[in-house]
Amino acid sequence: AQKVTQTQTSISVVEKTTVTMDCVYETRDSSYFLFWYKQTASGEIVFLIRQDSYKKENATVGHYSLNFQKPKSSIGLIITATQIEDSAVYFCAMREGPGYQNFYFGKGTSLTVIP
Amino acid sequence: EAAVTQSPRNKVAVTGGKVTLSCNQTNNHNNMYWYRQDTGHGLRLIHYSYGAGSTEKGDIPDGYKASRPSQENFSLILELATPSQTSVYFCASGDWGKNTLYFGAGTRLSVL
Repeated sequence: AQKVTQTQTSISVVEKTTVTMDCVYETRDSSYFLFWYKQTASGEIVFLIRQDSYKKENATVGHYSLNFQKPKSSIGLIITATQIEDSAVYFCAMREGPGYQNFYFGKGTSLTVIP
Repeated sequence: EAAVTQSPRNKVAVTGGKVTLSCNQTNNHNNMYWYRQDTGHGLRLIHYSYGAGSTEKGDIPDGYKASRPSQENFSLILELATPSQTSVYFCASGDWGKNTLYFGAGTRLSVL
Protein backbone atom coordinates (compact mmCIF):
# COMPACT_ATOMS: atom_id res chain seq x y z
CA ALA A 1 0.00 0.00 0.00
CA GLN A 2 1.19 3.47 -0.82
CA LYS A 3 2.29 5.22 2.36
CA VAL A 4 2.51 8.65 0.75
CA THR A 5 0.07 9.74 -1.94
CA GLN A 6 0.20 12.82 -4.13
CA THR A 7 -2.88 12.93 -6.34
CA GLN A 8 -1.95 16.01 -8.38
CA THR A 9 0.26 14.95 -11.25
CA SER A 10 0.82 18.46 -12.57
CA ILE A 11 -0.19 22.03 -11.77
CA SER A 12 0.22 25.29 -13.70
CA VAL A 13 0.01 28.69 -12.03
CA VAL A 14 0.65 32.26 -13.03
CA GLU A 15 3.73 33.88 -11.58
CA LYS A 16 3.30 35.73 -8.25
CA THR A 17 0.21 33.76 -7.28
CA THR A 18 -0.15 31.15 -4.51
CA VAL A 19 -0.23 27.41 -5.14
CA THR A 20 -1.06 24.50 -2.84
CA MET A 21 0.11 20.94 -3.45
CA ASP A 22 -1.65 18.09 -1.69
CA CYS A 23 -0.23 15.06 0.07
CA VAL A 24 -1.81 12.40 2.25
CA TYR A 25 0.09 9.80 4.21
CA GLU A 26 -0.56 6.58 6.03
CA THR A 27 1.07 5.52 9.27
CA ARG A 28 0.25 3.81 12.56
CA ASP A 29 3.03 5.53 14.42
CA SER A 30 2.21 8.30 16.86
CA SER A 31 5.49 10.03 16.04
CA TYR A 32 6.56 10.69 12.46
CA PHE A 33 8.14 13.31 10.24
CA LEU A 34 6.86 14.79 7.01
CA PHE A 35 8.98 16.45 4.35
CA TRP A 36 8.78 18.21 1.04
CA TYR A 37 11.61 17.97 -1.49
CA LYS A 38 12.07 19.79 -4.78
CA GLN A 39 13.59 18.30 -7.92
CA THR A 40 14.81 20.89 -10.38
CA ALA A 41 15.01 20.51 -14.14
CA SER A 42 18.66 19.51 -13.78
CA GLY A 43 17.58 16.56 -11.65
CA GLU A 44 18.93 17.88 -8.39
CA ILE A 45 16.80 16.95 -5.35
CA VAL A 46 16.86 19.35 -2.43
CA PHE A 47 15.13 19.45 0.93
CA LEU A 48 12.62 22.26 1.39
CA ILE A 49 10.70 21.97 4.63
CA ARG A 50 9.78 19.55 7.42
CA GLN A 51 6.85 19.05 9.80
CA ASP A 52 7.19 17.01 12.98
CA SER A 53 3.98 15.20 13.88
CA TYR A 54 4.02 16.34 17.50
CA LYS A 55 4.12 20.03 16.57
CA LYS A 56 0.79 21.80 16.18
CA GLU A 57 2.13 24.89 14.46
CA ASN A 58 2.67 24.72 10.72
CA ALA A 59 6.25 24.95 9.53
CA THR A 60 7.31 27.91 7.41
CA VAL A 61 10.55 28.50 5.53
CA GLY A 62 10.81 31.53 3.27
CA HIS A 63 7.89 31.47 0.85
CA TYR A 64 7.17 27.82 1.62
CA SER A 65 4.69 26.85 4.31
CA LEU A 66 2.81 23.73 5.30
CA ASN A 67 -0.83 23.02 6.03
CA PHE A 68 -0.67 20.13 8.47
CA GLN A 69 -4.03 18.51 9.13
CA LYS A 70 -3.26 15.59 11.40
CA PRO A 71 -6.82 14.20 11.68
CA LYS A 72 -6.92 13.98 7.87
CA SER A 73 -3.34 12.63 7.58
CA SER A 74 -2.66 15.49 5.23
CA ILE A 75 0.36 17.73 4.69
CA GLY A 76 -0.07 20.36 2.01
CA LEU A 77 2.74 22.51 0.65
CA ILE A 78 1.88 26.15 0.05
CA ILE A 79 4.10 28.34 -2.09
CA THR A 80 3.26 32.02 -1.98
CA ALA A 81 4.34 34.64 -4.52
CA THR A 82 5.48 31.96 -6.94
CA GLN A 83 8.49 32.61 -9.15
CA ILE A 84 9.52 31.11 -12.46
CA GLU A 85 12.32 29.25 -10.71
CA ASP A 86 9.76 27.45 -8.55
CA SER A 87 8.94 25.37 -11.63
CA ALA A 88 10.00 21.86 -10.59
CA VAL A 89 8.74 18.52 -9.37
CA TYR A 90 7.79 18.46 -5.69
CA PHE A 91 7.92 15.30 -3.63
CA CYS A 92 6.20 14.68 -0.34
CA ALA A 93 7.94 12.21 1.98
CA MET A 94 7.46 10.62 5.37
CA ARG A 95 9.76 9.03 7.92
CA GLU A 96 8.16 7.02 10.65
CA GLY A 97 9.99 7.37 13.89
CA PRO A 98 11.86 7.33 16.06
CA GLY A 99 13.33 3.94 15.26
CA TYR A 100 12.65 3.79 11.53
CA GLN A 101 15.24 5.02 9.07
CA ASN A 102 13.29 4.71 5.82
CA PHE A 103 11.93 7.67 3.95
CA TYR A 104 8.81 6.99 1.87
CA PHE A 105 8.21 9.26 -1.09
CA GLY A 106 5.13 10.17 -3.07
CA LYS A 107 5.14 10.11 -6.88
CA GLY A 108 5.59 13.85 -7.16
CA THR A 109 3.70 16.86 -8.47
CA SER A 110 5.07 18.82 -11.41
CA LEU A 111 4.66 22.57 -10.99
CA THR A 112 4.89 24.98 -13.91
CA VAL A 113 4.95 28.69 -13.15
CA ILE A 114 3.83 30.74 -16.14
CA PRO A 115 5.09 34.32 -16.65
CA GLU B 1 27.48 21.95 2.90
CA ALA B 2 26.56 18.28 2.72
CA ALA B 3 28.17 16.49 -0.21
CA VAL B 4 27.09 13.26 -1.84
CA THR B 5 28.90 12.27 -5.02
CA GLN B 6 27.74 9.57 -7.42
CA SER B 7 29.70 7.90 -10.17
CA PRO B 8 29.32 7.38 -13.01
CA ARG B 9 26.76 10.01 -13.95
CA ASN B 10 25.72 8.09 -17.02
CA LYS B 11 26.13 4.42 -17.84
CA VAL B 12 25.15 2.19 -20.73
CA ALA B 13 25.26 -1.50 -19.94
CA VAL B 14 24.44 -4.70 -21.80
CA THR B 15 21.83 -7.17 -20.67
CA GLY B 16 23.42 -9.78 -18.43
CA GLY B 17 26.40 -7.63 -17.60
CA LYS B 18 27.52 -6.52 -14.17
CA VAL B 19 27.03 -2.89 -13.17
CA THR B 20 28.35 -1.11 -10.09
CA LEU B 21 27.10 2.31 -9.10
CA SER B 22 29.18 4.15 -6.53
CA CYS B 23 28.32 6.74 -3.94
CA ASN B 24 30.62 8.72 -1.67
CA GLN B 25 29.61 11.09 1.10
CA THR B 26 31.87 13.42 3.04
CA ASN B 27 29.36 14.28 5.76
CA ASN B 28 30.06 11.45 8.18
CA HIS B 29 26.40 10.45 8.04
CA ASN B 30 25.61 7.01 9.38
CA ASN B 31 22.71 6.26 7.05
CA MET B 32 22.93 5.93 3.29
CA TYR B 33 20.27 5.01 0.76
CA TRP B 34 19.81 3.96 -2.86
CA TYR B 35 16.62 4.99 -4.65
CA ARG B 36 15.51 4.61 -8.23
CA GLN B 37 13.29 7.09 -9.99
CA ASP B 38 10.92 6.11 -12.77
CA THR B 39 8.15 8.05 -14.42
CA GLY B 40 4.90 7.41 -12.60
CA HIS B 41 6.60 5.82 -9.61
CA GLY B 42 8.47 8.61 -7.90
CA LEU B 43 11.40 7.55 -5.71
CA ARG B 44 11.51 3.94 -4.58
CA LEU B 45 13.92 2.59 -1.99
CA ILE B 46 16.19 -0.24 -3.11
CA HIS B 47 18.71 -0.69 -0.29
CA TYR B 48 19.92 1.28 2.68
CA SER B 49 22.62 1.11 5.31
CA TYR B 50 22.99 2.12 8.94
CA GLY B 51 26.77 2.20 8.83
CA ALA B 52 29.89 0.45 7.60
CA GLY B 53 29.32 -3.24 7.08
CA SER B 54 25.53 -3.06 7.18
CA THR B 55 23.03 -3.28 4.34
CA GLU B 56 19.27 -3.60 4.49
CA LYS B 57 16.66 -4.34 1.87
CA GLY B 58 14.29 -1.59 0.92
CA ASP B 59 11.00 -1.87 -0.93
CA ILE B 60 12.33 -3.13 -4.29
CA PRO B 61 15.60 -5.04 -3.64
CA ASP B 62 15.19 -7.84 -6.18
CA GLY B 63 18.01 -7.87 -8.72
CA TYR B 64 20.19 -5.55 -6.66
CA LYS B 65 22.91 -5.97 -4.07
CA ALA B 66 24.48 -3.29 -1.91
CA SER B 67 27.83 -2.89 -0.23
CA ARG B 68 28.93 -0.46 2.50
CA PRO B 69 32.66 -1.00 3.02
CA SER B 70 33.17 2.24 4.89
CA GLN B 71 31.31 5.15 6.42
CA GLU B 72 31.88 7.17 3.25
CA ASN B 73 31.08 4.67 0.50
CA PHE B 74 27.93 2.83 -0.50
CA SER B 75 27.67 0.87 -3.74
CA LEU B 76 24.74 -0.57 -5.64
CA ILE B 77 25.50 -3.71 -7.64
CA LEU B 78 23.51 -5.18 -10.49
CA GLU B 79 25.01 -8.65 -10.98
CA LEU B 80 22.96 -9.46 -14.09
CA ALA B 81 21.56 -6.25 -15.49
CA THR B 82 18.19 -6.35 -17.26
CA PRO B 83 16.42 -3.72 -19.41
CA SER B 84 13.85 -3.26 -16.63
CA GLN B 85 16.63 -1.78 -14.51
CA THR B 86 16.98 1.14 -16.89
CA SER B 87 16.32 4.09 -14.62
CA VAL B 88 17.80 7.04 -12.79
CA TYR B 89 19.43 6.05 -9.52
CA PHE B 90 19.89 8.39 -6.58
CA CYS B 91 22.10 7.93 -3.57
CA ALA B 92 21.37 9.84 -0.38
CA SER B 93 22.85 10.19 3.08
CA GLY B 94 20.96 10.91 6.27
CA ASP B 95 21.63 13.65 8.78
CA TRP B 96 19.58 12.96 11.86
CA GLY B 97 20.63 16.18 13.47
CA LYS B 98 18.65 18.00 10.82
CA ASN B 99 16.41 14.98 10.20
CA THR B 100 16.70 15.10 6.44
CA LEU B 101 18.33 13.47 3.43
CA TYR B 102 21.01 14.84 1.16
CA PHE B 103 20.91 13.52 -2.39
CA GLY B 104 23.57 12.95 -4.98
CA ALA B 105 23.12 14.20 -8.53
CA GLY B 106 21.89 10.86 -9.81
CA THR B 107 23.13 8.21 -12.23
CA ARG B 108 21.27 7.59 -15.46
CA LEU B 109 21.55 3.90 -16.33
CA SER B 110 20.47 2.39 -19.63
CA VAL B 111 20.52 -1.39 -20.00
CA LEU B 112 20.36 -2.45 -23.64
